[in-house]
This record gives sequence, C-alpha cells and structure tokens, in this order.
Amino acid sequence: GDSVTQMEGPVTLSEEAFLTINCTYTATGYPSLFWYVQYPGEGLQLLLKATKADDKGSNKGFEATYRKETTSFHLEKGSVQVSDSAVYFCALTDGGFKTIFGAGTRLFVKA
Amino acid sequence: DVKVTQSSRYLVKRTGEKVFLECVQDMDHENMFWYRQDPGLGLRLIYFSYDVKMKEKGDIPEGYSVSREKKERFSLILESASTNQTSMYLCASSSPLDPAWNEQFFGPGTRLTVL
Repeated sequence: GDSVTQMEGPVTLSEEAFLTINCTYTATGYPSLFWYVQYPGEGLQLLLKATKADDKGSNKGFEATYRKETTSFHLEKGSVQVSDSAVYFCALTDGGFKTIFGAGTRLFVKA
Repeated sequence: DVKVTQSSRYLVKRTGEKVFLECVQDMDHENMFWYRQDPGLGLRLIYFSYDVKMKEKGDIPEGYSVSREKKERFSLILESASTNQTSMYLCASSSPLDPAWNEQFFGPGTRLTVL
C-alpha cells in the first residue's frame, strides 16, 4: 500500500541555518503531496502542497518540489527562525478519502 | 475562519470507563476523521466518515467506535478504556469537492490519559 517515509528527528538547528527535511513516498497512482506542521499544543495545519510532478509548493519561506523520478518531496527553508520549532509531517493522498502521514520530524531551532 | 473544535484538551479516565470524545466542525465538510498520535508512529487513522450515519474503519479501529448523527459532529467512543489507549487524539475534516487537494483541517487535539 501507499506509504510515506521521512527523516527521523529531532533536528536541531541554530537560527538562520538552512533546513532540509527529507521525505520519500511509495504510491501506485499519482498522489497529491503535503507538508503539515504541528506547533506545540496545537493540531496539525497545512503548510504547503503539490498535486503533480515538478510542482513546487511554498509558504512562509518553506518550499518543497514534487519529484516523481525520485518519489520525493523534501521540505526546505533557507533561514529558520525560533518560531519554526515544531513537528513537521509529510503526507500523501491518492484522491480517495484517506491521507497517509509520515511519522513526523521534530525541529528545534536555537536562538 | 474555518474551525474544528474538540470537547476537551486534556482528559483523565480510569481503566474500564466509557469515554466520549467529541468533535465539531463549522465548514460543512462531508468527511471527518479520528486519528491517534503517538511518538515515533505519526498519525494513525482510527475511523472516518464520509457522510451522516456512514462510517468506515481505519487502520486501528479495535477498541473504538464512532457516531455521526449530524454532519458537523463526529464522536469517538472508547467502550472500555485501557491504558494502551493513552494517547493524543486528533479530529480532522475535509471536503470531497476538490479531491486532488483533499486538505484536512485539524482540531487542537485531546490528550487522553487512562489510569
């Protein structure tokens, strides 16, 4: 079945460092891909999305490009802030009801 | 502003108690979901519903049931709580009108502790 694998955390960075969180997926069809973020004490919220190959999703300085050839959707940000400290989830949906989530990667950003 | 609300942020129950977790959304969404979130395991789907009175088992339905009597409300029921059901429970909703996106909107979560 469909699955999502993302890098284990926690990831600890200093403020203004470059961030990459790796995400790869397995799917039989042509899924839509998502990154969700969960700030402390809150539920998940959508960060960005992409629906087809080579699409780039972006929001709040974060970017991810849908790479069909490598089945990847890596999350990047050029300069992280303390306020970016959160848990990040990569996810996919194949157009059905269900969304498949990765295990989550916790990010700590130090001032 | 779209909203999914859950009845409690924190809940402590005893083994064997019947537990109700309530979720309400104000977006007129057809689809609603219950997940549990555990460290290292991400989100696991317990049940979902795509219409009033309709329900489908997710990946880990054992020990849980659900009820959807109204479109905006989706309840998760632990018939006889056990300590291994201590977890964070997240409710979500989505609309099938644009299936290519299928963005889910989440509530803040209920942290349940079963003693």
